[in-house]
Amino acid sequence: ILNVEQSPQSLHVQEGDSTNFTCSFPSSNFYALHWYRWETAKSPEALFVMTLNGDEKKKGRISATLNTKEGYSYLYIKGSQPEDSATYLCAFTDTGNQFYFGTGTSLTVIP
Amino acid sequence: GAGVSQSPSNKVTEKGKDVELRCDPISGHTALYWYRQSLGQGLEFLIYFQGNSAPDKSGLPSDRFSAERTGGSVSTLTIQRTQQEDSAVYLCASSLSRPQGEQFFGPGTRLTVL
Repeated sequence: ILNVEQSPQSLHVQEGDSTNFTCSFPSSNFYALHWYRWETAKSPEALFVMTLNGDEKKKGRISATLNTKEGYSYLYIKGSQPEDSATYLCAFTDTGNQFYFGTGTSLTVIP
Repeated sequence: GAGVSQSPSNKVTEKGKDVELRCDPISGHTALYWYRQSLGQGLEFLIYFQGNSAPDKSGLPSDRFSAERTGGSVSTLTIQRTQQEDSAVYLCASSLSRPQGEQFFGPGTRLTVL
């Protein structure tokens, strides 16, 4: 069983604050790291897929970095807005067939 | 175009009954996954279908769980003799390719076993 850990488990921030979360994964047999956003009553939707050490991805105010050697990825949100409130999931895929999801970071942005 | 659909959206059943959950993936997606999320837990991989290859069933928690995918499209997850610990949200996802491929998730089926 592979452990993918996310921290913090939950987070409350004020509108306008910047924030970041961590995803830790095994550094061996790495293939890809995925970030998803899961809003209440909706389906998870993909944010980023990263495959190379040092990868940085950006989509609007959200960005992510990847360190495959030490086994972590950071997700950053700049100037948080209430609509950013969701659970952010990361998933690790190795050279096998499975996706291993973390338990997520629940973000609440307070207006 | 249409996304991934799942039915039913909610299912309440009694312990010991069998249930069937359905997933309609995005047309043309060759990969299909089933996951479940129990209360307070992360997404747990159950089974993976890729084209005509034999499915990866390594995530199925017991032999009460089975799944099939007909004609490379619609998939059905069957749980026999349901137990209370089977209560969870069951999510289906499809993608064009894996493991780099972005997964598109359905809305899920919330299963409650009384």
